[in-house]
Amino acid sequence: EAQVTQNPRYLITVTGKKLTVTCSQNMNHEYMSWYRQDPGLGLRQIYYSMNVEVTDKGDVPEGYKVSRKEKRNFPLILESPSPNQTSLYFCASRTGLAPDTQYFGPGTRLTVL
Amino acid sequence: LAKTTQPISMDSYEGQEVNITCSHNNIATNDYITWYQQFPSQGPRFIIQGYKTKVTNEVASLFIPADRKSSTLSLPRVSLSDTAVYYCLVGDRNYGQNFVFGPGTRLSVLP
Repeated sequence: EAQVTQNPRYLITVTGKKLTVTCSQNMNHEYMSWYRQDPGLGLRQIYYSMNVEVTDKGDVPEGYKVSRKEKRNFPLILESPSPNQTSLYFCASRTGLAPDTQYFGPGTRLTVL
Repeated sequence: LAKTTQPISMDSYEGQEVNITCSHNNIATNDYITWYQQFPSQGPRFIIQGYKTKVTNEVASLFIPADRKSSTLSLPRVSLSDTAVYYCLVGDRNYGQNFVFGPGTRLSVLP
């Protein structure tokens, strides 16, 4: 089954404790992205990657890091989480070909105390 | 990216047809129009995409007038399970580098 998986699905942590949210896709997609969703603000793109070792900032990259060492994986790293990073996070992947559809993961709900 | 404007919310009853209109006055020649659906605590799901005139699939229809400055997502005979947020996005096929989701339209289907 074609899918995007994220782990963990839920995470409660404390300020300053480094964490990583993993994302993996099994569709051989070149493009992968991370979004955060906050009430009233819709989805905002954090980082995206057009291929292995190619990443770029989205709209809200501050406080986040990503890496793309393999085509299927695109982890999101919070080196020193802060309470304003409490949010619902989605990973997504797409082929880059028409139709231009993104496949989203199930989401990771992060709470930073 | 062309900016889009949608109603914030809409209510409907089961069995009715729902039309959600999206305005995109500065759409560019190469831009496509794409709609996504999002249920609570789930990631958005692709519904339909079009460039001009009309596109129909098993889920919805998308109507795009000749000037392409707006588009209308049509959901036939909605059910309670169609309650979700619907997003309209406009951009060329390579715009995915920086997808911009607005607040979307929150559709509530009532019994």
